[in-house]
Amino acid sequence: DAGITQSPRYKITETGRQVTLMCHQTWSHSYMFWYRQDLGHGLRLIYYSAAADITDKGEVPDGYVVSRSKTENFPLTLESATRSQTSVYFCASRPGAGSYNEQFFGPGTRLTVL
Amino acid sequence: DQQVKQNSPSLSVQEGRISILNCDYTNSMFDYFLWYKKYPAEGPTFLISISSIKDKNEDGRFTVFLNKSAKHLSLHIVPSQPGDSAVYFCAATGHTGTASKLTFGTGTRLQVTL
Repeated sequence: DAGITQSPRYKITETGRQVTLMCHQTWSHSYMFWYRQDLGHGLRLIYYSAAADITDKGEVPDGYVVSRSKTENFPLTLESATRSQTSVYFCASRPGAGSYNEQFFGPGTRLTVL
Repeated sequence: DQQVKQNSPSLSVQEGRISILNCDYTNSMFDYFLWYKKYPAEGPTFLISISSIKDKNEDGRFTVFLNKSAKHLSLHIVPSQPGDSAVYFCAATGHTGTASKLTFGTGTRLQVTL
């Protein structure tokens, strides 16, 4: 399907486990982003990527790892999940041309860490 | 340090009336502002934006006003419809260095009643 997809949509895991959230976009957008949404905090940027093999930290990167070997994929890995990482995670993308293009968001992944 | 603030967590408006959602920012480097709408279990979707060179931008029932001196923007929805019931996020970005990243507010939940 065209657009931006995330998988899984729901995930329950245990403290200490490694979890990878997948994000795939079909637009060939240069920029991709990972956010977490928590009550009282809105959307906070975890990591972002300007192109394949270029990634940078956002506001709350601790405990997360990203990679971007292909333009269309931007997986987010929690190396050792903690309860504080229980959240809804959104992936987003935007074209590289122009400074102010809006970001397009995926449907989100609800992660629960027990 | 919340650079983008939405001080009203919720707002209830009757169908047909005007909805006014407010947003304040503290970072004077922000020069482009966006509003996103989010339904439950979906990702945010772009609604409307405004550049700092303007003080108003209109798109159908949606108008965003920007008061740079007060570092304040507002989203007006006229007339409000039940389908407008959602969480609205204000977001901001700057021209230099942060042009690819958005800083979000905490969101305002709008309920349009019949």
